[in-house]
Amino acid sequence: GAGVSQSPSNKVTEKGKDVELRCDPISGHTALYWYRQSLGQGLEFLIYFQGNSAPDKSGLPSDRFSAERTGGSVSTLTIQRTQQEDSAVYLCASSFGLAVGGEQFFGPGTRLTVL
Amino acid sequence: AQRVTQPEKLLSVFKGAPVELKCNYSYSGSPELFWYVQYSRQRLQLLLRHISRESIKGFTADLNKGETSFHLKKPFAQEEDSAMYYCALKQTGANNLFFGTGTRLTVIP
Repeated sequence: GAGVSQSPSNKVTEKGKDVELRCDPISGHTALYWYRQSLGQGLEFLIYFQGNSAPDKSGLPSDRFSAERTGGSVSTLTIQRTQQEDSAVYLCASSFGLAVGGEQFFGPGTRLTVL
Repeated sequence: AQRVTQPEKLLSVFKGAPVELKCNYSYSGSPELFWYVQYSRQRLQLLLRHISRESIKGFTADLNKGETSFHLKKPFAQEEDSAMYYCALKQTGANNLFFGTGTRLTVIP
């Protein structure tokens, strides 16, 4: 079956503009995650959705970042008033939820460049 | 607070040589640990998890709670092992992963 998909694959924007990144998880996966992969920083957890529970937003770096997940499926990560330090690859992953040893399946990522 | 440390950003070994990618963690609870791998132009994917005690593609990793380590090992490296390797930790009761900064492994033919 289809894996996690993300769009766009690349996004170039100007400083100060808002951007929206989309993630389509694997069908049936109740958990969805957003991570950021910056050069030299590894992967940084941003936000996590599990079913209908309130999302875990503890990794969001500032209030310019927000995310929502509609209908328990598609998720959108929004970055307002983008800054150059927001340039990174944004990865989405999904899984079956709380499962010991559970595997997360990653999308191809969206490369964001803020000029 | 939890932390995952991969001290080597780059590691090069010759084909057929043993390889060890180091991972240390700090976490007061009982962690779940994983190794994820990203081959060139491919997605990040799970390589192995400590709970399964499995060997995947010849790689093994043992959780050493005394040394708080989860090093990834393979006795004979192959060219196709060249990739970026990330060690990751999951806290008890949580689902998100905390990743190390990754080690880029290059296997020299």
